[in-house]
Amino acid sequence: GAGVSQSPSNKVTEKGKDVELRCDPISGHTALYWYRQSLGQGLEFLIYFQGNSAPDKSGLPSDRFSAERTGGSVSTLTIQRTQQEDSAVYLCASSLGPSSLTEAFFGQGTRLTVV
Amino acid sequence: TQLLEQSPQFLSIQEGENLTVYCNSSSVFSSLQWYRQEPGEGPVLLVTVVTGGEVKKLKRLTFQFGDARKDSSLHITAAQPGDTGLYLCARSGTDKLIFGTGTRLQVFP
Repeated sequence: GAGVSQSPSNKVTEKGKDVELRCDPISGHTALYWYRQSLGQGLEFLIYFQGNSAPDKSGLPSDRFSAERTGGSVSTLTIQRTQQEDSAVYLCASSLGPSSLTEAFFGQGTRLTVV
Repeated sequence: TQLLEQSPQFLSIQEGENLTVYCNSSSVFSSLQWYRQEPGEGPVLLVTVVTGGEVKKLKRLTFQFGDARKDSSLHITAAQPGDTGLYLCARSGTDKLIFGTGTRLQVFP
């Protein structure tokens, strides 16, 4: 596809269950970012990948959150034992590299609702 | 920790009015980007500013980077309903992209 693709677009889950969110970046983009956005607020940084490695995991809110990236392409964000405060839109972005001049292209996000 | 503060947080104006939104930090940026996000979509890049004092124009939008590279402003002239959205500044550098708190703009016809 031409853009960043995220799936699912919507996910409703019960408290305590695990969820996996997927991000398909633009082909050739080495940098990949995950953000969380609560109810129209700003973007909270979660994690950043350069290739398959994550130089910065400092934004992950707790050890229930983890992410991986394989083959320098697809990334999955996993939330274990979901809590109601995890409800938010999770956005993924990719860019050609970490250079300050490159544009980040975003997916449409996954809206997660924990009930 | 949010490193970029934006103001105002919310702005509701009539079509035709002018407005300015601000992005401030205590740290120096190597560069700064402005994005706009519409409901149900991801943010889309509007501009990147790199040099202190730089001014860039995009139709009715004027972006300025502070001389000390710690702040930036976005001025919209004669706002239109199509300008409605969440405006986000972002500190870009050699690693992660950090976003500001956002300014939600509503322009009424």
